Amino acid sequence: QKEVEQDPGPLSVPEGAIVSLNCTYSNSAFQYFMWYRQYSRKGPELLMYTYSSGNKEDGRFTAQVDKSSKYISLFIRDSQPSDSATYLCAMSAGTYKYIFGTGTRLKVLA
Amino acid sequence: DSGVTQTPKHLITATGQRVTLRCSPRSGDLSVYWYQQSLDQGLQFLIQYYNGEERAKGNILERFSAQQFPDLHSELNLSSLELGDSALYFCASSVEGGRRTDTQYFGPGTRLTVL
Repeated sequence: QKEVEQDPGPLSVPEGAIVSLNCTYSNSAFQYFMWYRQYSRKGPELLMYTYSSGNKEDGRFTAQVDKSSKYISLFIRDSQPSDSATYLCAMSAGTYKYIFGTGTRLKVLA
Repeated sequence: DSGVTQTPKHLITATGQRVTLRCSPRSGDLSVYWYQQSLDQGLQFLIQYYNGEERAKGNILERFSAQQFPDLHSELNLSSLELGDSALYFCASSVEGGRRTDTQYFGPGTRLTVL
């Protein structure tokens, strides 16, 4: 079993929809949770960074962490075609070492 | 633009050959990380350097090696290349590397194709 599981998609939604992207993990030592966005043929770009449980909001993006269920989510409101990308979750137990999910491909249709 | 630069963007070579990938971290960042991204494996951590010294190793093959120079740029050397080494190789940098609030910023990557 992988330490971090992420549905690869692809996930297709109409413009304006609310998108929910999720990751589950098995290592209870993870404390730091990140979401990266990766456009085709580009490097991952940090979107959200959260510590511990709860919600964090930044514009149209909300990151949610449920440590009791070992489950994290990224919500995108009012999705736009420019949000079409691969979204990677990453986790850390508080050190340099990030464990990444395999990424979910999202396509927002105009 | 993350501020991390990588060269070359693309590299095509043959099996058995050796290549060198180069990375310059963001200004002020002391730590450099190398990752390999393939379709079936996702983003895999290879190795980390901090201020010129190796700090951590991940799933790095013995045929691969890296170093970080006094000016903080880093090179990843891949030798005796195999078809399965074809992948995207990313470099990331952070201020320190190991502190819990440290964030890794990724470069644009080098796409390696081994024929």
